[in-house]
This record gives sequence, structure tokens and C-alpha cells, in this order.
Amino acid sequence: EAQVTQNPRYLITVTGKKLTVTCSQNMNHEYMSWYRQDPGLGLRQIYYSMNVEVTDKGDVPEGYKVSRKEKRNFPLILESPSPNQTSLYFCASSTWGQGLNEQYFGPGTRLTVT
Amino acid sequence: AQKITQTQPGMFVQEKEAVTLDCTYDTSDQSYGLFWYKQPSSGEMIFLIYQGSYDEQNATEGRYSLNFQKARKSANLVISASQLGDSAMYFCAMREEYGSGGSNYKLTFGKGTLLTVNP
Repeated sequence: EAQVTQNPRYLITVTGKKLTVTCSQNMNHEYMSWYRQDPGLGLRQIYYSMNVEVTDKGDVPEGYKVSRKEKRNFPLILESPSPNQTSLYFCASSTWGQGLNEQYFGPGTRLTVT
Repeated sequence: AQKITQTQPGMFVQEKEAVTLDCTYDTSDQSYGLFWYKQPSSGEMIFLIYQGSYDEQNATEGRYSLNFQKARKSANLVISASQLGDSAMYFCAMREEYGSGGSNYKLTFGKGTLLTVNP
């Protein structure tokens, strides 16, 4: 089954404790992206990657890191989480180029930083 | 300036009636794509419909159609014959393509419209 998986689905952590949210897709997609969703703000792009070893900042990259060492994986790293990073996080993947290139979303990770 | 504007934070519609969810966008690119996603209360993001900037016909997918008015930069979603299961948050999004040969792109989402279908 074609899918994007994220782990963990729920996480409660404390300020400053480094954490990683994993994202993996099995569709051989080149493009992967991380979004955060906050009430009243919609989804905002954090980082994206056009292919292996190619990443770029989205609209809200501060406080986050990513890496793309393999095509299927795109982990999101919070080196020193703060309460303002409490949010719902989505990973997504797609092909890219002209045309539809529908984004396939993971199920989301709900992060709470206390 | 916002790239995607959804002016209706909330909408109500009676079951079996049609409803239009508004979306306007702002881009200077010639090549771009417009998407609508549905997010039910369970949280997952469900792709509904896509319109490319060069597509001359309005996109349709079952009960969903996209009213694309390029000159006005609007891409409204029309849901016909609303069902109770259509109650959800709806997001409009734009993919802008840039770089050599459109080799790079980013996706920008609007803030969403919460649709409630009343029985």
C-alpha cells in the first residue's frame, strides 16, 4: 500500500530535550516536505527536499533541522524544542514536475512541548 | 501579502444543497498548480481536486468542481449535493514552480474554511 508513515504519532516532551520525528514513504517520490498546522494559521511549510541531499527552507524553518540521506526518509529534528513548537506536524511526499504531483500526507504527529 | 486567501473561516450548508468555498491566490508565476484538500475531524489530509494554470477546462472530480478564474486569480471549490460527511476543514493550496525548467517548487496553504453540513 502506498503510504507516508510518521513516528511517533503523539509526543509530549519538555523544553530543550532533543527529539526526532521520522517520516518515510514507499512511493519512490523525489519531493518530501514538512508542515506544521496551528489553529487559524493553516499549514505552513517548514522544510522541503527535492531529492536526496537537497533540502531547502520553507516559510517557518527556525528551530528545525532536516536531512535527506535516503530517498524514502526525511526526518524532522528539533534540537532544543520550545513550547511555541507545540503543534500538529505533517510530512508529505510527491513526484515533481509539470502536472498534478499530488502531495501524499502522513497521518500527522501531535507534539506538545511543556 | 498572503499567497492564498480563504476569506470564509466557517460556512454552513444544508444537506443536499451546493456550496462554494472561496480561494484567491497571488503569484507572478506563469506555471503553477492549485489544490484543494479536505481535513475531517480525524485529522488526515485528503486530496480532492487539482487545477493546473495552463488547464483550460475547470477541473471536476465527482461532486467536486473547481471554478478557476485565472484573470481574477480565484480557484473556488464547489461541492454539489452536500452530504453530512462533507463536514470538515477545507484547505486551498498553491504550488509555485520556479528555478530552471520548473525544477523547484513550494506549496503554500490557505488558513482553511470549516464547513458544516446541517441535516
